[in-house]
Amino acid sequence: GENVEQHPSTLSVQEGDSAVIKCTYSDSASNYFPWYKQELGKRPQLIIDIRSNVGEKKDQRIAVTLNKTAKHFSLHITETQPEDSAVYFCAAGAGKSTFGDGTTLTVKP
Amino acid sequence: DGGITQSPKYLFRKEGQNVTLSCEQNLNHDAMYWYRQDPGQGLRLIYYSQIVNDFQKGDIAEGYSVSREKKESFPLTVTSAQKNPTAFYLCASSIRWGANTEAFFGQGTRLTVV
Repeated sequence: GENVEQHPSTLSVQEGDSAVIKCTYSDSASNYFPWYKQELGKRPQLIIDIRSNVGEKKDQRIAVTLNKTAKHFSLHITETQPEDSAVYFCAAGAGKSTFGDGTTLTVKP
Repeated sequence: DGGITQSPKYLFRKEGQNVTLSCEQNLNHDAMYWYRQDPGQGLRLIYYSQIVNDFQKGDIAEGYSVSREKKESFPLTVTSAQKNPTAFYLCASSIRWGANTEAFFGQGTRLTVV
């Protein structure tokens, strides 16, 4: 089955700095890579996703890059704000998603 | 108001009891999922259903059971065979299996063994 590793487990940045979270996956058949944000006590919500036929996708301050050869993908958040503080999960799969263990991002004002 | 609803929000179970967590969606999604979330860990898949009247074991199915008799409903039963059931349980749905689209999550049920 699919195995997803996510790094780092915690990340602290100053407001306005960039944040990068990286994930690797094992199954070359995986073709869908979503990123979810979970605020404390709330449900995970999709913030961006990428499919295997695309190398990069951007939505305002958030971007995701995918390297299929190396089997890794990354989330980039620019100009971070305190409201970006949350747990971020990457996932990979084809059909059902396998999730990484999450990254707790803290943005200090 | 479309969405996916879990109930109850908090649930307490005594040792040896079975409890059932409810999950209902009005999104007309074919696929539904149950995940378990423990502190500091990701979401681990318990069971999934690709379509009504079908379900499959996920990575940690032991001690759990499900049914999918209606498209909109996917209840999870935590049986007494589950030795460490205290966790946060999340139900999710997606438009169809293999569609490579996002999963929509419910608000979760926090289960505590007392």
